Amino acid sequence: NAGVTQTPKFRILKIGQSMTLQCAQDMNHNYMYWYRQDPGMGLKLIYYSVGAGITDKGEVPNGYNVSRSTTEDFPLRLELAAPSQTFVYFCARRAVTGAEQYFGPGTRLTVT
Amino acid sequence: AQKITQTQPGMFVQEKEAVTLDCTYDTSDPSYGLFWYKQPSSGEMIFLIYQGSYDQQNATEGRYSLNFQKARKSANLVISASQLGDSAMYFCAMREGDDYKLSFGAGTTVTVRA
Repeated sequence: NAGVTQTPKFRILKIGQSMTLQCAQDMNHNYMYWYRQDPGMGLKLIYYSVGAGITDKGEVPNGYNVSRSTTEDFPLRLELAAPSQTFVYFCARRAVTGAEQYFGPGTRLTVT
Repeated sequence: AQKITQTQPGMFVQEKEAVTLDCTYDTSDPSYGLFWYKQPSSGEMIFLIYQGSYDQQNATEGRYSLNFQKARKSANLVISASQLGDSAMYFCAMREGDDYKLSFGAGTTVTVRA
């Protein structure tokens, strides 16, 4: 159990719609991350946060926004969805005592 | 420039044999860490093993070991005594700096044959 929950598991959006992907952790860790994955490819960092009220851009932030009002929650917002945002989205938290990250189960998003 | 390179898109291995997955990395930061993750067909990302740049010994976790060659900038994963359940995609990743962001390679698919 990675201690990270993501909702929804699946979602189909129409072009131009908006949505929020939810992520919550139960380990009270400051460091949280959002990644996206192309099928059969590696993950790319979208945004990350090192504590409540602190967020920063990763490698591919365009088209996304995040907020971190509490330690537990780290939602990812898509505005004006485009087909190029069709990915599996993973939220992760850093380990309490180590360097590794633990991932949520992912949200599979399709934009058509 | 690519930070993590995995050159083997797919590999087949016989059950009970060992398999080595290649990973090379590029960084100028003296403090970094290397990770391996497993992604089975169900899609979840499972942490396997970690090696810090200052660690003197190669990391091991059960049947997983990381062959860390700092001068060659390589961090190969060795899976010993392969099992059918090892069939999955394997990703090498690196963190640099204090915010622990990860950069991932493209992955290697491993198929274990009975």
